[in-house]
Amino acid sequence: AQSVSQHNHHVILSEAASLELGCNYSYGGTVNLFWYVQYPGQHLQLLLKYFSGDPLVKGIKGFEAEFIKSKFSFNLRKPSVQWSDTAEYFCAVNAPNSGGYQKVTFGIGTKLQVIP
Amino acid sequence: DGGITQSPKYLFRKEGQNVTLSCEQNLNHDAMYWYRQDPGQGLRLIYYSQIVNDFQKGDIAEGYSVSREKKESFPLTVTSAQKNPTAFYLCASTSGRMAGEVTAKNIQYFGAGTRLSVL
Repeated sequence: AQSVSQHNHHVILSEAASLELGCNYSYGGTVNLFWYVQYPGQHLQLLLKYFSGDPLVKGIKGFEAEFIKSKFSFNLRKPSVQWSDTAEYFCAVNAPNSGGYQKVTFGIGTKLQVIP
Repeated sequence: DGGITQSPKYLFRKEGQNVTLSCEQNLNHDAMYWYRQDPGQGLRLIYYSQIVNDFQKGDIAEGYSVSREKKESFPLTVTSAQKNPTAFYLCASTSGRMAGEVTAKNIQYFGAGTRLSVL
């Protein structure tokens, strides 16, 4: 069964610091990869996605992520965080399951707190 | 505006009681999903439905039941058999049926959630 590991459960940064959140998955075939974000009191929403092509994908609000197939990783980055980036971030992988359907598996989430 | 509406926002359950969480979407999406979110555990799939009148168990279906009588509606019942129901419940949908080739139709759109507590 596929699994997703997020290494940092709680991250505290000062404004303007750089951010990198780790995400590794365990499926050897073709996958889609996602980062979702949940701002306080708001819906879970898509931050960025990888389907195919350029492994460096750019999302909303200056976020980007790099798919490294050999490392089964999809780390999220932002060069300079803002207080408004305070949120919980979830990595997710979509891959076929044994029943012939696809299944999205989420990581446990990383809470990011940005201090002004 | 198109989207997913979950109600109520907060729900309280008494011991031995069944409660039903509502999820309605006007996105004309085929597939709908229920997740449970617990601190430190991420999102775990309870049930999903690829099409009307069809649904499948997810990873933690015990103590829950669903129905899919209409395309736009996918209610979740938390039964008295669910011994630890306190959690945040999220409903999602995708335009694709999650079968076959992975495509952009597999992006999940989420509702605002229902927070269930036990009295």
